[in-house]
Amino acid sequence: LAKTTQPISMDSYEGQEVNITCSHNNIATNDYITWYQQFPSQGPRFIIQGYKTKVTNEVASLFIPADRKSSTLSLPRVSLSDTAVYYCLVGRSGNTGKLIFGQGTTLQVKP
Amino acid sequence: NAGVTQTPKFQVLKTGQSMTLQCAQDMNHEYMSWYRQDPGMGLRLIHYSVGAGITDQGEVPNGYNVSRSTTEDFPLRLLSAAPSQTSVYFCASSFSTQDSGTAITEAFFGQGTRLTVV
Repeated sequence: LAKTTQPISMDSYEGQEVNITCSHNNIATNDYITWYQQFPSQGPRFIIQGYKTKVTNEVASLFIPADRKSSTLSLPRVSLSDTAVYYCLVGRSGNTGKLIFGQGTTLQVKP
Repeated sequence: NAGVTQTPKFQVLKTGQSMTLQCAQDMNHEYMSWYRQDPGMGLRLIHYSVGAGITDQGEVPNGYNVSRSTTEDFPLRLLSAAPSQTSVYFCASSFSTQDSGTAITEAFFGQGTRLTVV
């Protein structure tokens, strides 16, 4: 499974757009990119998944360049409740029982 | 629809004791997995299962056993508890589906079991 690299931490203010970038230089042809969010004392929660270009849902957008060696999770107009750890995962869709998490990015949103 | 249910929520064990962490899901998901999360760290995969009767090791399997006799249940057994196994344990179930021609895989996590070994 491709190894991922993310910033350890980020700070932002309420109302700002936050972009968290994940590097995955060894991504394989069949790999998908998935982001999870984890609040303290809770299990991670699925945010978004994509294979190429751009994916958008009600929570976030995911931008994937043509070479797929990196991806950017974009959170529009963050609020205090978006303070959490965000994990980028890379793996094949069929490998759904084997998700490998890195250290994640701790996002702190300030008032 | 309860999702993924883990019991107990909290447990204190003495070194050398054994116990089983329970995990049940009611979403008929094929895939289930166990993770541990130490303070300030990401999740590490212990064991996973791709269906009833099929299990495999993850990143940190030593000291733990699993079995999957039904689709719904995936218990994690600590054979002889050690202080190094003090952690928060998460169980997850997952499925794949198609969305506009793209495969989407989503994992659902339980609320965790906080285990302390003294």
